[in-house]
Amino acid sequence: DQQVKQNSPSLSVQEGRISILNCDYTNSMFDYFLWYKKYPAEGPTFLISISSIKDKNEDGRFTVFLNKSAKHLSLHIVPSQPGDSAVYFCAARPSGAGSYQLTFGKGTKLSVIP
Amino acid sequence: DTGVSQNPRHKITKRGQNVTFRCDPISEHNRLYWYRQTLGQGPEFLTYFQNEAQLEKSRLLSDRFSAERPKGSFSTLEIQRTEQGDSAMYLCASSASRGNGSPLHFGNGTRLTVT
Repeated sequence: DQQVKQNSPSLSVQEGRISILNCDYTNSMFDYFLWYKKYPAEGPTFLISISSIKDKNEDGRFTVFLNKSAKHLSLHIVPSQPGDSAVYFCAARPSGAGSYQLTFGKGTKLSVIP
Repeated sequence: DTGVSQNPRHKITKRGQNVTFRCDPISEHNRLYWYRQTLGQGPEFLTYFQNEAQLEKSRLLSDRFSAERPKGSFSTLEIQRTEQGDSAMYLCASSASRGNGSPLHFGNGTRLTVT
């Protein structure tokens, strides 16, 4: 049973346009959400996070939106650049006991076309 | 900041052999994690240390797997009697103890191939 779902395995976007990556979760105990970016042959790199007390967090070209009632979050990248081409993982962590465990989605491969 | 360091980067072994991987976390981080990633999947949690104490192990971590962090600094992950299903990328991560708001910083992983 996948608790964190990224239903789009891949996404292609033109350079300069907006990339929107989506993530759904089922565990209502999750209260902290993160996005990681992964290049081939490297480990995941932390990108941005959001706590459940917020509905938006912004860092430069990256914005994460959280809709708790829909158990949905999204990562917006604008403008998209070719260097953003990577696999993006959504991850979530529950509050309380076991809160050091991150549960990851399967990832979405983003290709930004020059 | 030298980041999280993992050695070796690649390991090819024959089924039935034992292997050991090493992880050196970011020096000021007292939390250390091991994850495993297979093709087409996201990283899956294996185990977690706070300082030298192993506080949680996933059910994925069978009795053939053992992890240690003897002095609260580097950690080792040993797999005994390897099986082909153990082939995966083994990722180590570390984080600071700032409540639950500290992101994990991952190393580049050790890719294990069991033939």
